[in-house]
Amino acid sequence: GDSVTQMEGPVTLSEEAFLTINCTYTATGYPSLFWYVQYPGEGLQLLLKATKADDKGSNKGFEATYRKETTSFHLEKGSVQVSDSAVYFCALRDSSASKIIFGSGTRLSIRP
Amino acid sequence: DAMVIQNPRYQVTQFGKPVTLSCSQTLNHNVMYWYQQKSSQAPKLLFHYYDKDFNNEADTPDNFQSRRPNTSFCFLDIRSPGLGDAAMYLCATSKGQGVTEAFFGQGTRLTVV
Repeated sequence: GDSVTQMEGPVTLSEEAFLTINCTYTATGYPSLFWYVQYPGEGLQLLLKATKADDKGSNKGFEATYRKETTSFHLEKGSVQVSDSAVYFCALRDSSASKIIFGSGTRLSIRP
Repeated sequence: DAMVIQNPRYQVTQFGKPVTLSCSQTLNHNVMYWYQQKSSQAPKLLFHYYDKDFNNEADTPDNFQSRRPNTSFCFLDIRSPGLGDAAMYLCATSKGQGVTEAFFGQGTRLTVV
């Protein structure tokens, strides 16, 4: 079945550092890919998405490119801020299904 | 403008006492989901509705039930909560099949005492 694999955390960086959180997926169809962010005690918020190969999703300085050849959707940010501290989930949705499948999440902590 | 609203935000229930969590949406979306999220884990899909069609995940315990009386509302019923059911319960909606993302409520934190 479809699945998502994320790099394990926690990830701790200093403010203004470069961020990469790896995500790879397995899917039989042509999924859409998402990154969600979750702040403590809150629900999930969509951070960015990409719906087909080579699409780049971007929001709030975060970017991720849908790479079909490597089945990856890595999240990047050039200069992180303390306010980016949260848990980040990679997710996919198959084009023929209603289900959204999440990776295990990566906790990110940014030091001032 | 809240789009997916969960009530209550915090719920304390007694071991074995039935409890109902509610979710409403103003988005007129076809699909409504219930996820269970335990500490530091990924959200786990319990079931979802596509319009009135109910889709149960194979590993969802019978203790969990759901109702969707209309497009806007969906309920999660836990018939006999155990200590292991303490978790954050997340409701989400999406437009339908295909490429669209899910929109989440803020969650209900359930404590079982």
